[in-house]
Amino acid sequence: DIQMTQSPSSLSASVGDRVIITCRASQSISSFLNWYQQKPGKAPKLLIYAASNLQSGVPSRFSGSGSGTDFTLTISSLQPEDFATYFCQQSNGTPLTFGGGTKVEIK
Amino acid sequence: QMQLQESGPGLVKPSETLSLTCTVSGGSISSYFWSWIRQPPGKGLEWIGYIYYNGSTNYTPSLKSRVTISVDTSKNQFSLKLTSVTAADTAVYYCAMFDFWFDYWGQGALVTVSS
Repeated sequence: DIQMTQSPSSLSASVGDRVIITCRASQSISSFLNWYQQKPGKAPKLLIYAASNLQSGVPSRFSGSGSGTDFTLTISSLQPEDFATYFCQQSNGTPLTFGGGTKVEIK
Repeated sequence: QMQLQESGPGLVKPSETLSLTCTVSGGSISSYFWSWIRQPPGKGLEWIGYIYYNGSTNYTPSLKSRVTISVDTSKNQFSLKLTSVTAADTAVYYCAMFDFWFDYWGQGALVTVSS
């Protein structure tokens, strides 16, 4: 199985801050990496697919980069509605696997 | 706009079978892969498996012996059966459409395993 490791597991930030979340795969997954946002009691929402492609309707302050084993999700200017948990997920092979999540909290 | 909705019992007894159905609307189930994902309370996401509309399946190894995913194209539905459940199977179960990423999700169904 491909293990996905996210860091940090949680962070505190202020509105307007630049936030960077990293995701590392246990082996190369090319660009088969997706990012999701989940708010309490809700289903995850796709933000970024194939490492760097912004899903339709997602604000441009979200961006993704990376390939191989190391990936980042960047929020350029944190907004109040961005406080949530973020997950990465690999689609290079089955079983499909998720990172453990990064909870972004208000500072 | 594709919409997915899970349905099924919210309480299952230990050793019994968990059964959930996902109804797809706003599009045909006869394309893409259709997946089940679960999330224990306060924990992360676990992919259970997926099915293609032609019936071919792929399951996560840790659950493979207990899981069956099936599809009914006439009803635009797909289903999950998980046998011999224990308290460790208590989770919110999501159905989702997979096209190398999960772009449409159901709202989730909490299933509690308890006597």
